[in-house]
Amino acid sequence: EVQLVDSGGGLVNPGGSLTLSCAASGFSFSSYSINWVRQAPGKGLEWVSSISSSTAYIYYADSVKGRFTVSRDNAKNSLFLQMNDLRVEDTAVYYCARRYCTGGSCYEGALDIWGQGTKVIVSS
Amino acid sequence: QSALTQPASVSGSPGQSITISCTGTSSDVGAYNLVSWYQQHPGKAPKFMIYEGSRRPSGVSNRFSGSKSGSTASLTISGLQAEDEADYYCCSYAGGGIVVFGGGTKVTVL
Repeated sequence: EVQLVDSGGGLVNPGGSLTLSCAASGFSFSSYSINWVRQAPGKGLEWVSSISSSTAYIYYADSVKGRFTVSRDNAKNSLFLQMNDLRVEDTAVYYCARRYCTGGSCYEGALDIWGQGTKVIVSS
Repeated sequence: QSALTQPASVSGSPGQSITISCTGTSSDVGAYNLVSWYQQHPGKAPKFMIYEGSRRPSGVSNRFSGSKSGSTASLTISGLQAEDEADYYCCSYAGGGIVVFGGGTKVTVL
C-alpha cells in the first residue's frame, strides 16, 4: 500500500524546537518531491515547504522561512521538518504529502498521497 | 503569498449541481495551469480531486469537474450526494517553487 506516516508532533514551549518525521512506503520515495502542509485548528490548509527528490530544490513559505528546515533521507524513505523558534501561530496539524506525477510529468501543487497528520501545539 | 479567495460556504440539495469559485491573481491562478482541488472530511487528511485545472486522477468520480477562466478557477459537483458534504480547498502554483491554497469552502448538502 502506498502511504505516508507522519510523526513527531507534541507540545512545545514558544521559542522551542521540534522535528517532525514522515515515513514513506509502497512507492519509490527517492523519485518524488514531497511537501509539508499544515492546518491550524479550525482553519484552512497552508503550504509550508517542499523538497525535490534529490534535494536540489527546497522551498519555504515566508511564514516559516529561516525557522524551519526540510530534509530527507532517501535510503531510509524518510522526510523531516526541523522546526526552530516555534511560535504560538505554528500550532497546527502538519501533513506530509507527495507531489503527483503521471505519464512522465509531475504537477506542482498537486498532492496525491497525504500522511495522517501530526499535531503540533506551541503553548506555555 | 496571499491565500486564494473562496466562498466560505456553498449549499445544495441532493441531485443538484453546485460550483465553488477560487479567485487568485495574475501571479498564480492566472499565470499557471496548475490548479488543484482537495476534499476534506472532518478529522481526515485532504483527498486529491482535480489537477491541472480540470483533470481527474484515477478513482475520482466524474461528478467532480474543474475549469479555469483567467484568474478564477472553479470546481463543480454534479448530482450532489450526502457524502459530498465536506470542506473543499483549491490550490495553485505561484512560481518560484511556491504553492498557495484557498481559504476553503464548506459544502452543505441540504
